[in-house]
Amino acid sequence: SQKIEQNSEALNIQEGKTATLTCNYTNYSPAYLQWYRQDPGRGPVFLLLIRENEKEKRKERLKVTFDTTLKQSLFHITASQPADSATYLCAPPENGGYNKLIFGAGTRLAVHP
Amino acid sequence: DTGVSQDPRHKITKRGQNVTFRCDPISEHNRLYWYRQTLGQGPEFLTYFQNEAQLEKSRLLSDRFSAERPKGSFSTLEIQRTEQGDSAMYLCASSLGHRDRATDTQYFGPGTRLTVL
Repeated sequence: SQKIEQNSEALNIQEGKTATLTCNYTNYSPAYLQWYRQDPGRGPVFLLLIRENEKEKRKERLKVTFDTTLKQSLFHITASQPADSATYLCAPPENGGYNKLIFGAGTRLAVHP
Repeated sequence: DTGVSQDPRHKITKRGQNVTFRCDPISEHNRLYWYRQTLGQGPEFLTYFQNEAQLEKSRLLSDRFSAERPKGSFSTLEIQRTEQGDSAMYLCASSLGHRDRATDTQYFGPGTRLTVL
């Protein structure tokens, strides 16, 4: 069955550095993939969407890549700030579909001043 | 604030009681989704509506769960005879779905945290 894997260990980095989060998927090839940010006790907030025919997508300090050969998406935050501390969720649609999202468990990012 | 609102934000109930949650989507969005999230996990799909039609239900949605979207606007999720295992965050999301668009960006509400004692 389709599986979405994100690094379950928290990522701790120093302010100003680049944070890189990984999302691996197995047993299928999603047409696109979304990244969300979630703060404790709140709903996920949409950040970026990347399609399978796009190698890279950028928005301000955020960059997402999508490698369909490796079955992996990388999410980068450059010049990280303590305010970037949150859990980041990877969410492709289910196999063969385009709107029922399958979420990874998320990776918690902590940016230290 | 994404524009999706949920009520209540928190609900504490005793096992066996019925609870109902409400979701108001972004006004022009035709699709509405319900997800459930437990601690340390990502949201899990429960069901979704296109306008007033409920198009898909997850096998996670037992017979005790029912969802409605009577006029294609707000939606309610009811859980009957709650169990302790129902304790979770219930999230609502909405999107502007087009038949010819192969993606679906979903905007989430703040969630309703349910605690079943």
